[in-house]
Amino acid sequence: KAGVTQTPRYLIKTRGQQVTLSCSPISGHRSVSWYQQTPGQGLQFLFEYFSETQRNKGNFPGRFSGRQFSNSRSEMNVSTLELGDSALYLCASSLVGDADTQYFGPGTRLTVL
Amino acid sequence: AQSVTQLGSHVSVSEGALVLLRCNYSSSVPPYLFWYVQYPNQGLQLLLKYTSAATLVKGINGFEAEFKKSETSFHLTKPSAHMSDAAEYFCAVRVNTDKLIFGTGTRLQVFP
Repeated sequence: KAGVTQTPRYLIKTRGQQVTLSCSPISGHRSVSWYQQTPGQGLQFLFEYFSETQRNKGNFPGRFSGRQFSNSRSEMNVSTLELGDSALYLCASSLVGDADTQYFGPGTRLTVL
Repeated sequence: AQSVTQLGSHVSVSEGALVLLRCNYSSSVPPYLFWYVQYPNQGLQLLLKYTSAATLVKGINGFEAEFKKSETSFHLTKPSAHMSDAAEYFCAVRVNTDKLIFGTGTRLQVFP
C-alpha cells in the first residue's frame, strides 16, 4: 500500500506570492492533518480535515487555509507569503477509528525569498 | 493545557550504549503520548504510543518507553544504540481528535 504522498517536494517562492501544497493520504484514510516544521518553532499543528470538513485548527493567521476533497486528498494554501513561512510542511493521515496512529508524508520544503 | 517537554536538544552516545531520551508531559486528563522519529529529509515515523493500556510500551527498532504518572514522564529508551538510530526524536501528546502537540525534539548522535 502506498504511503502518504506530498507534492511538490520542494518549492521556491517570493514574498507576496501564494502557494498550494497537495497531500494524498493512504488509501482508505479519511483524516488528514497538516503541520509546519521550522527550526525556531518546531512542529506546529495547522489544521485537520475529516470527510471534507475542518475539525481542528491551529493558531495560524488566515493566510493559511486548506480543504479536503471527496477522495480525501487535501490541499493547503498560503497567500501573501512572508519570509517566515519558509518551512517543511508535513501532512499526516489516519484511519477512522485509529486516530492515534498518524502516518506522515515526506513533506514539502517551502523556501520564501 | 496539554504539553510535552523534551530535556536535552542533543544527546550523543557510543554505538552499543544505552539510549535515554527524556520527555515530561503536562496534562489535566489521562494523556495519549507518542514518540516519533525523523530521519534527514524525511517525514515522521511513529515509534510507539501510550494509550492508557500497559505502562511499558514496546515500539519498533528495539525502542520502548515507560509511562510514569507519578513523575509525569514518558522517557524513550533502547538498550544498545546502532549507528542507524541517529535521527531526531519527537515526543508528542494528543489533544482532541487528530491534533498532536510536539516537543522541541532531541537530536541523537551515535558515535562508532
